[in-house]
Parts: sequence; C-alpha cells; structure tokens
Amino acid sequence: QSVLTQPPSASGTPGQRVTISCFGSSSNIGSKTVNWYQHLPGAAPRLLIYSNDQRPSGVPDRFSGSKSGTSASLAISGLQSEDEADYYCAAWDGSLNGFYVFGTGTKVTVL
Amino acid sequence: QLQLQESGPGLVKPSETLSLTCTVSGDSISNSSFYWDWIRQSPGKRLEWIGSFDYSGSTYYNPSLKSRLAISVDTSKNQLSLKLSSVTAADTAVYYCARHVPEYAGTRDGWFDPWGQGTLVTVSS
Repeated sequence: QSVLTQPPSASGTPGQRVTISCFGSSSNIGSKTVNWYQHLPGAAPRLLIYSNDQRPSGVPDRFSGSKSGTSASLAISGLQSEDEADYYCAAWDGSLNGFYVFGTGTKVTVL
Repeated sequence: QLQLQESGPGLVKPSETLSLTCTVSGDSISNSSFYWDWIRQSPGKRLEWIGSFDYSGSTYYNPSLKSRLAISVDTSKNQLSLKLSSVTAADTAVYYCARHVPEYAGTRDGWFDPWGQGTLVTVSS
C-alpha cells in the first residue's frame, strides 16, 4: 500500500523558516488535494492545512502549504518553541477502491 | 463545540476481536455533511487510515484491513464503533476517531477535523 514520503526530521532556531516536503504519486498528491496535521505529544492530532494551502480558523498564518505535481510542502515561518511537534501530510489515494494515505511524519525540533 | 471521545479495552489478546466506541458530542452523527472515520497510530508513529462510515450507512475500509474490519454507528447514542477481528501484535496502536470533512459533497477525499484524544490498545497475551 502506498505511503507519502517525508523527511524524518527538520530543525531550526526561533524565528527561522522551516520547510517540510511530502512526496507522493499520481494516484494521490498528483490528483488529489493535500492536508497537513500537527501532532503535539499527548494531544489529539490537529488539522493545520487543508486543500493544499488553506488554513482553518485559529491556525497562525506562519503556517503555509503548497503543492506541485506529485509533491507538497509545509512551511513554518517565524519558528516558535510551541511548533516543536510531529507533522504529517495526507491525501486521498484513488487507486484500488480509494483509501486515505498519510505521510511518514517529520519531527520538527526548535533548537 | 464538537468533541469525540474514544473508549474501550486497553488490552486485547492475540486472535481476539478489538472493539472500540467513539462518542460524538456537539453534532449529530447522522449529519449528512460529514463522514466519521477511524485512524490509528502505531508505536513507530506511523498513521494509518482504518475506515469510514457515512450518513447513508455505507462503509469504506482500508484494503489492508478490510477482511477483519467492521465499522458501524448507533444513532440513538450518537456513537461510532470499530470491530477488528483476529488481532495480532501488529494491531497495537493508539486508535483515533475523527470527523471526515469531504472536499466536495459526495466525494470521498477531504480532511479530518477534529480528532478525538485517542485510546491506546495493546495486543498481548
């Protein structure tokens, strides 16, 4: 079963910009929109970005998403200590009878 | 405010059936605008979509789990349930329920918002 590929880790100092990549295929990212989730330790995962680049209400504009072809990116500008978390990309995959697929996850560390 | 709360046994023996319940408050589980899904996270932190239930009574399952899976709804209690049979250690995970918002009405894609806090299920004898 396919999975979206992310780098295992990313880091930056407070105030820096961090970018996380997400690689998929034509059956998922290439033809469907991408969503991003933030997972803080001990908390429920939180929707961060939907439909490639849309922020739900309450999500700071420091977070932005983009998509090109079969890959997507999440950017965190003005990195803050509370941004230290795991980040997952996700998309619907249209192969087989259709299923939802998540990325492998990226741990963001604020140095 | 919509809230979801998972509940069920924290320990299940190998070969037995894992049964979990998700209680929804703040919205009706019969709301035709949304689906209701189960997702799990393994100890290695990988997230895996389990399946989905929609207002028409249709279910959509992860192909890798389909043969062992049953998702249903009790509208009188506003609850979503999950049953996974013949479990092994590989089914040890934190199980989450979530509201599934479709990209467009009637489509199967979309996003999950919000999620429940999750419940840890360990498969061990």
